[in-house]
Amino acid sequence: GQNIDQPTEMTATEGAIVQINCTYQTSGFNGLFWYQQHAGEAPTFLSYNVLDGLEEKGRFSSFLSRSKGYSYLLLKELQMKDSASYLCAFRDSNYQLIWGAGTKLIIKP
Amino acid sequence: SAVISQKPSRDICQRGTSLTIQCQVDSQVTMMFWYRQQPGQSLTLIATANQGSEATYESGFVIDKFPISRPNLTFSTLTVSNMSPEDSSIYLCSVEDVGQGDSRAQYFGPGTRLLVL
Repeated sequence: GQNIDQPTEMTATEGAIVQINCTYQTSGFNGLFWYQQHAGEAPTFLSYNVLDGLEEKGRFSSFLSRSKGYSYLLLKELQMKDSASYLCAFRDSNYQLIWGAGTKLIIKP
Repeated sequence: SAVISQKPSRDICQRGTSLTIQCQVDSQVTMMFWYRQQPGQSLTLIATANQGSEATYESGFVIDKFPISRPNLTFSTLTVSNMSPEDSSIYLCSVEDVGQGDSRAQYFGPGTRLLVL
């Protein structure tokens, strides 16, 4: 079967670093995505990993280990505007996106 | 990336009625997707809409309840038929952006917030 798991909620402090983990199980894998979703808004695309390793985009980085079925999103120099839900999703062998439930990130001053 | 608009942005409807949601894209796209997102939940794919063919529905969703039209490469509609309070949700359309290289990341419209009384 297929499944994907991420923590429900995390809290971090402004200016700090936070790592949001995502684990998945699937027989067919064609890439992993991270999206940011502010309350009341649509998800916006953050990053894509298809090969093992780290992809860096400014304050955000995403890591993938295909052998471990594991990814993380790393957010540095946290700002209050980073308070949002972060969704991970993998693309399966049918090229369909399988979505996690999202991690609500709360940033405190 | 593609710019996507949806109408209406929100609505309050009576049970038993139907609502048609429109999704407009500023460029031609092959595949459009319709999702539902209930409060605090993740995204659930309802169906994939290709121009010129019947939509492909996911398990648990049927054409009689969620008819979809895709008359051209920039437009689609989703109808929520014979609504009940359980249909209260956010409905999102999305498209794949082939300009994003291998990722083919999906980009989302702003959503339609539906409340059924």
